Amino acid sequence: DTGVSQNPRHKITKRGQNVTFRCDPISEHNRLYWYRQTLGQGPEFLTYFQNEAQLEKSRLLSDRFSAERPKGSFSTLEIQRTEQGDSAMYLCASSWRPDRSGNEKLFFGSGTQLSVL
Amino acid sequence: KQEVTQIPAALSVPEGENLVLNCSFTDSAIYNLQWFRQDPGKGLTSLLLIQSSQREQTSGRLNASLDKSSGRSTLYIAASQPGDSATYLCAVRNSGNTPLVFGKGTRLSVIA
Repeated sequence: DTGVSQNPRHKITKRGQNVTFRCDPISEHNRLYWYRQTLGQGPEFLTYFQNEAQLEKSRLLSDRFSAERPKGSFSTLEIQRTEQGDSAMYLCASSWRPDRSGNEKLFFGSGTQLSVL
Repeated sequence: KQEVTQIPAALSVPEGENLVLNCSFTDSAIYNLQWFRQDPGKGLTSLLLIQSSQREQTSGRLNASLDKSSGRSTLYIAASQPGDSATYLCAVRNSGNTPLVFGKGTRLSVIA
């Protein structure tokens, strides 16, 4: 499978615990995005990387959230001291940087569904 | 701040019918617009991407149009099939280095 891979698929945790998700992008894609989606809503942008550099972070990303992309390959998203409001689907997407025509097709993973009890 | 609205929120049609999904955005200075499909509990699949200089894109039974000046896009699905049942999401980008902003989607059910 050469698509975007996310692990785990499901995570159930107790409030106050820390969780970490992993995303493996399509090989050689230089951009990697994290989005969060709750039921009945569209995905909300959290942060993105170009290679190993984190270029933008949403205001939604509180100081309890941290993302890394060491060596510009896989990425991890960590949530510390989880809250019930963190329950959502966390989606990862990867792409090539837009070409001169502005084409940038995002390929999404299947997501990690987080439930905070 | 860019905002994307999709109407209707849900749509149910009999198999074989042609249908139109609507998307509007508040800031017309977009870089491009994309339509995605999402099946329940799954990630998103890109369907069509329209650059700001383009008026439409076609792929098979799908046709997406863009009227940038009025801040609108439509996704036309011809001869709908039960396999088209999914949520369809519209997303816009304001520059090559800004992230996609999504609408809430239209949940489509095609009844056999």
